[in-house]
Amino acid sequence: AQSVAQPEDQVNVAEGNPLTVKCTYSVSGNPYLFWYVQYPNRGLQFLLKYITGDNLVKGSYGFEAEFNKSQTSFHLKKPSALVSDSALYFCAVRPREDSNYQLIWGAGTKLIIKP
Amino acid sequence: NAGVTQTPKFQVLKTGQSMTLQCAQDMNHEYMSWYRQDPGMGLRLIHYSVGAGITDQGEVPNGYNVSRSTTEDFPLRLLSAAPSQTSVYFCASSYKVTGFGAQYFGPGTRLLVL
Repeated sequence: AQSVAQPEDQVNVAEGNPLTVKCTYSVSGNPYLFWYVQYPNRGLQFLLKYITGDNLVKGSYGFEAEFNKSQTSFHLKKPSALVSDSALYFCAVRPREDSNYQLIWGAGTKLIIKP
Repeated sequence: NAGVTQTPKFQVLKTGQSMTLQCAQDMNHEYMSWYRQDPGMGLRLIHYSVGAGITDQGEVPNGYNVSRSTTEDFPLRLLSAAPSQTSVYFCASSYKVTGFGAQYFGPGTRLLVL
């Protein structure tokens, strides 16, 4: 079965330090890859996507993600964390051949940035 | 643009009651979907639609019904509420082709079934 794994339920980072939120996937072919963020009591917001091309994708709020085809990973990164980055982060994948446009979701990683 | 709107924001139901969660988008998106979010389980797809008049089941469709009479609206109906349907419900929409699947989410409806 196709799946997306976010191996860490929670990631703790000190403000100003770099952060990484991990995502690996088990999906056939070359899927489209996404990161979303959810702030408390809010809906999910689209952060960035990988469709094709450069393996490093830049998105909103200074976030970027690195696609690694051999490791089937799409880790979210930020060079210097802010307290306001504290939120729930979801990785999602869409198989390219899926004509129903459905996303396969990871379970989410809670990111806590400490001052 | 208002984006994706959902009403109500919060609802309490008794077991067996029915209700409709409203979702509307003003971006002319073809694709719309309903998810439920439960702690530790991420997002689970309930129903989705790839255009007006077309709906299909997702991962957890039992106990829910949808229709898509217009491009803008995609209501979710709970036929006979059960405590297991206590959850936060999100509606999302996207362009079918140009968005590659990047979805826009509403603010959510928090539902408590007693």
